Amino acid sequence: AQTVTQSQPEMSVQEAETVTLSCTYDTSESDYYLFWYKQPPSRQMILVIRQEAYKQQNATENRFSVNFQKAAKSFSLKISDSQLGDAAMYFCAYRSGRDSNYQLIWGAGTKLIIKP
Amino acid sequence: ETGVTQSPTHLIKTRGQQVTLRCSSQSGHNTVSWYQQALGQGPQFIFQYYREEENGRGNFPPRFSGLQFPNYSSELNVNALELDDSALHLCASSLLDRARGYTFGSGTRLTVV
Repeated sequence: AQTVTQSQPEMSVQEAETVTLSCTYDTSESDYYLFWYKQPPSRQMILVIRQEAYKQQNATENRFSVNFQKAAKSFSLKISDSQLGDAAMYFCAYRSGRDSNYQLIWGAGTKLIIKP
Repeated sequence: ETGVTQSPTHLIKTRGQQVTLRCSSQSGHNTVSWYQQALGQGPQFIFQYYREEENGRGNFPPRFSGLQFPNYSSELNVNALELDDSALHLCASSLLDRARGYTFGSGTRLTVV
């Protein structure tokens, strides 16, 4: 069974600085998808960025980028120029590439605090 | 885009009772999934519906059941509520595409006393 581990329960960063959130996963599959979601106090999960395992190029969305290390099964999220609005819980999630398996498997989350 | 809306936002029920949570999917999405998120944890997959049929289920007992309607709205029904059912219940809609992420609602906070 696949698992997702986020080893940092909480991280803090000064506004405008850069922070990296860690995520590791375990799987025997070669085809899968990885996601980072943000959950602010409003509770809604918001997709931040996604990565297809077959793509070697790291995904980037504006200030958000990932470092995807397939061999090491690592998928970290880098947030550049941190803003107060980035404060939230961040969850790493895995989805199998098999058509019969639709569920997202989630880590326990990292609480990101932005210091003004 | 209408997004995903869930109702009610909060609910308090007594152990042993039954509850129905509702979800209106994002326009154009034909797949809906339900997740349970206990306090301080990541979500756990309950089940998924595609074109009104359940096509995937997590490790939840049969007292958790669902429906998806022709307009792609959905219900999560939980019978014989237990204290451990207290959690945030999230609905997520998408197209049936492995690569896509889901659009989530803001959830229903269920408290069982």
